Amino acid sequence: NAGVTQTPKFRVLKTGQSMTLLCAQDMNHEYMYWYRQDPGMGLRLIHYSVGEGTTAKGEVPDGYNVSRLKKQNFLLGLESAAPSQTSVYFCASSQTGDTQYFGPGTRLTVL
Amino acid sequence: EDQVTQSPEALRLQEGESSSLNCSYTVSGLRGLFWYRQDPGKGPEFLFTLYSAGEEKEKERLKATLTKKESFLHITAPKPEDSATYLCAVPAGAAGNKLTFGGGTRVLVKP
Repeated sequence: NAGVTQTPKFRVLKTGQSMTLLCAQDMNHEYMYWYRQDPGMGLRLIHYSVGEGTTAKGEVPDGYNVSRLKKQNFLLGLESAAPSQTSVYFCASSQTGDTQYFGPGTRLTVL
Repeated sequence: EDQVTQSPEALRLQEGESSSLNCSYTVSGLRGLFWYRQDPGKGPEFLFTLYSAGEEKEKERLKATLTKKESFLHITAPKPEDSATYLCAVPAGAAGNKLTFGGGTRVLVKP
């Protein structure tokens, strides 16, 4: 089992560019989550999904969109990147909505 | 609003010097408390879940305990490989299917 994987590992964008981060899990988990982690701010929930075809807003959803077309994948999109979105992004999955298992992260820099 | 506060923010220990990390929480009804370990450049790794006051769990040199208002992570005779950031989290939201994280405690164990 690979667990939770994230693509890409690193990315540099210019302001205004768009991109999609891919999260994949092979544990057949129902719940999936996207977080961002910034120095001094801790882990903050962006969006989450409680099952295939569902999405919900977390604590800091502005500027991001998500889709969960397949149970094993959860995509995070940035339509028009801003420097404030420079961060490390983590995806997580959970079977029951409590214990979460995290991916290795994507380090995004927006210039 | 659910809140999780961890202290201290950073801890420097000599190898073999035992210590404790604190996680205090304010929630309407505790539905579990989670401890994670995060190494630099990696995603958080699940350590423990505690569900009721008085519960204790151990893993190698780590022992987590829970009261009605806080949790402690005791590190006994730490080794340099125990250096990491330790995060605690509690379930949040009406359904309890997302986590609110504390800011973490950075632990450095010097040989």
